[in-house]
Amino acid sequence: DIQMTQSPSSVSASVGDRVTITCRATENIRSWLAWYQQKPGKVPKLLIYAASSLQSGVPSRFSGSGSGTEFTLSISGLQPEDSASYYCQQAKGFPITFGQGTRLEIK
Amino acid sequence: EVQLVESGGGLVQPGGSLRLSCAASGFSFSNFWMSWVRQAPGKGLEWVANIQQGGGEKYYVDSVKGRFTITRDNAKNSLYLEMDGLKAEDTAVYYCARVTIGTDYFDCWGQGTLVTVSS
Repeated sequence: DIQMTQSPSSVSASVGDRVTITCRATENIRSWLAWYQQKPGKVPKLLIYAASSLQSGVPSRFSGSGSGTEFTLSISGLQPEDSASYYCQQAKGFPITFGQGTRLEIK
Repeated sequence: EVQLVESGGGLVQPGGSLRLSCAASGFSFSNFWMSWVRQAPGKGLEWVANIQQGGGEKYYVDSVKGRFTITRDNAKNSLYLEMDGLKAEDTAVYYCARVTIGTDYFDCWGQGTLVTVSS
């Protein structure tokens, strides 16, 4: 199975800051990677797919990059509503696996 | 508007069974792979199962193989998860999710239904 590891597990930043979350895969998944945002008590929301493609309706301050085994999610110009947990997910093959999540706190 | 509405969750004893349902609307259900994803209380997301448009191809996470069965009824725009031999570690919110065409990303999620396995 492909294991996905995110870092950091939690991060705290201020409004207007830029934050980067990293996701590493245990094998080459090319660009088969998605990022999701889950606010407390809410349903996960697809932000980025194919490593760097922005899902429709997602603000452009979110961006994704990477390929192979290392990927990043960047959020620039942090807003209070970005406070959430973020998960990466590999879609190269079954079983589909998620990272353990990164909790973003806005100071 | 795309909508997925789960139902069927509840409290069940270890070893018991439960059937989850997901009613889809606002899109051509029969054109999409569908999935179940779960989240234990305070934990991360875990993929459970996927089913092909016609129901002929199915995939499961190892921890539920032989105990859970994913099915669908395209005439009723509905997805199901039959869960047998439930264990305490199956306690979670179960989400129904639509799979983006041609990929295995989840582009639409239901609100979830809570399954609690406890004596």
